[in-house]
Amino acid sequence: SFELTQPLSVSVAPGQTARVTCGGDNIGTKNVHWYQQKPGQAPVLVIYRDNNRPSGIPDRFSGSNSGDTATLTISRAQAEDEADYFCQVWDSCVVFGGGTKLTVL
Amino acid sequence: QVQLQESGPGLVKPSETLSLTCTVSDDSFSFYYWSWIRQPAGKGPEWIGRLLPSGSTDYNPSLKSRVTMSVDTSKKQISVRLSSVTAADTAVYYCARGGGVTNGMDVWGQGTTVTVSS
Repeated sequence: SFELTQPLSVSVAPGQTARVTCGGDNIGTKNVHWYQQKPGQAPVLVIYRDNNRPSGIPDRFSGSNSGDTATLTISRAQAEDEADYFCQVWDSCVVFGGGTKLTVL
Repeated sequence: QVQLQESGPGLVKPSETLSLTCTVSDDSFSFYYWSWIRQPAGKGPEWIGRLLPSGSTDYNPSLKSRVTMSVDTSKKQISVRLSSVTAADTAVYYCARGGGVTNGMDVWGQGTTVTVSS
């Protein structure tokens, strides 16, 4: 089955740019979606189809996907962005990455 | 904005069948894919399966032998049944809109906690 690899944790200073990666074999050929999950809450879709933002998601969130790596970029990071982030693709079924804990410190 | 509400028993005995229902708040029900996802405490989400507008289903291969999803269009409900449960099935269970190739899952229920224990 298709595997998605994410770093366990990423740290960023407030106001700086955070990048969360998602690695997979030739992931650039797939549509990658990203979810934000805060403690005790359901996941929220923040990026779909590599680089599209759903309504209501700040433009500080952006995405890219090429080769073997997809990247979620959070510009001008804020304390409220501290959360777990999961990437997801379809490969005969829905596949999630293991998740990355973003700390804003 | 459509809302999803999961419901069902919070406690299931080992070897029994877990049954959950997701109620959709509006009439968009027939036009979208609907997925069930679960998340054990401290772990990432795991997709259980999806229901297509045609009524057909796709399941996670790792759970396929134990999972059944169904729909009651008159009640706007999607149900999931997971048989022969063990402690490893203890998780928060979510229903969500979506689960196709090109779009993510854009609306999620609040989730319901299911514990498998005797």
